[in-house]
Amino acid sequence: NAGVTQTPKFRILKIGQSMTLQCTQDMNHNYMYWYRQDPGMGLKLIYYSVGAGITDKGEVPNGYNVSRSTTEDFPLRLELAAPSQTSVYFCASRARQGNTGELFFGEGSRLTVL
Amino acid sequence: QQPVQSPQAVILREGEDAVINCSSSKALYSVHWYRQKHGEAPVFLMILLKGGEQKGHEKISASFNEKKQQSSLYLTASQLSYSGTYFCGTAGGGTYKYIFGTGTRLKVLA
Repeated sequence: NAGVTQTPKFRILKIGQSMTLQCTQDMNHNYMYWYRQDPGMGLKLIYYSVGAGITDKGEVPNGYNVSRSTTEDFPLRLELAAPSQTSVYFCASRARQGNTGELFFGEGSRLTVL
Repeated sequence: QQPVQSPQAVILREGEDAVINCSSSKALYSVHWYRQKHGEAPVFLMILLKGGEQKGHEKISASFNEKKQQSSLYLTASQLSYSGTYFCGTAGGGTYKYIFGTGTRLKVLA
């Protein structure tokens, strides 16, 4: 049981490049989330999903896209990378326990845009 | 709207106690508390449910005041391992949008 797995762990991008951060969970959780955390700051919700085929915007969605074709996978796409997207990205999932389940996190993906 | 935590930062000596507060402008149905060590992902500590039920650690407890839309985390007899940043998290207002509080940096000195 691996939990939540994110890849890559580290990546350097040039301005204007695009990339996809991968996230997979093997706990059969319905809810999945993407957060970004800038240095010394808190966690900001980018996008979330309540099940396959259903996604919605969070607090800071601009510059990102997501898809959820299966229960297990929730990739985050960065289009036209900008220095402001330099951050640590966390994927998380939780069970549907009456909407009270806690989050399980991946280890994070550290992205630098130069 | 993001829950606001107070204090923003606190420094303790080993064995001292601390209280961290989390206040929301929206109704809270459940509150989770997490601790994040530097360079790591947040780790779940405990859950507070509407009605006052809590599940968590021995020396870490919490309260939930639904009327005030506030939760407080109590750390007693702090240890060096308690150092980190504490976040409250909630899918407030009956939505699935799970957001975090502003965070509280806690440092425990020997």
